[in-house]
Amino acid sequence: DTGVSQDPRHKITKRGQNVTFRCDPISEHNRLYWYRQTLGQGPEFLTYFQNEAQLEKSRLLSDRFSAERPKGSFSTLEIQRTEQGDSAMYLCASSPWTVNTEAFFGQGTRLTVV
Amino acid sequence: AQSVTQPDIHITVSEGASLELRCNYSYGATPYLFWYVQSPGQGLQLLLKYFSGDTLVQGIKGFEAEFKRSQSSFNLRKPSVHWSDAAEYFCAVAGGSQGNLIFGKGTKLSVKP
Repeated sequence: DTGVSQDPRHKITKRGQNVTFRCDPISEHNRLYWYRQTLGQGPEFLTYFQNEAQLEKSRLLSDRFSAERPKGSFSTLEIQRTEQGDSAMYLCASSPWTVNTEAFFGQGTRLTVV
Repeated sequence: AQSVTQPDIHITVSEGASLELRCNYSYGATPYLFWYVQSPGQGLQLLLKYFSGDTLVQGIKGFEAEFKRSQSSFNLRKPSVHWSDAAEYFCAVAGGSQGNLIFGKGTKLSVKP
């Protein structure tokens, strides 16, 4: 197992365009999280999936953001009509459905909106 | 509301010197606590975690942390810092029922030769 994989690693887009990021969690991890990290800050929670069900969304997740996890495997995070304030690192993490375990993070997708 | 405070934004230590990074948390119940390290442009790597039991936990790369409930602290320590330890360090608490993490703002560690 190669860990949590995110694609692309970097994305530059023009303001107003839509972007989509992909996360492949560790196999059989049924918990999946998305976080956003801006410069000089710690990661902030965006949303959580248990298998294919999106069970929690942060207030940071505006209407322009949507996340899916079809079939409980990989997940996508889409941002519509990007704004400069969306520029950040988007991190995905996964963990198994057991108590007392940590989340494993991917390398992240760095988004720059110009 | 749950929160994590890392009072030091940037710390510089000499190689071979000891290190302590501070972390204070605010959480109503028994906290699950973590320290992660992040190299520039990279994701987060877990250094160590505390769930219960022994309040002194050992992690990877020679790091340890001590949970002190009375002080709401979970400070990270290393007896002798290596140049490769230069990175940003994040303390986190598992804040939600779904296990999502609440992070501090991080402490950037620089190591002088």
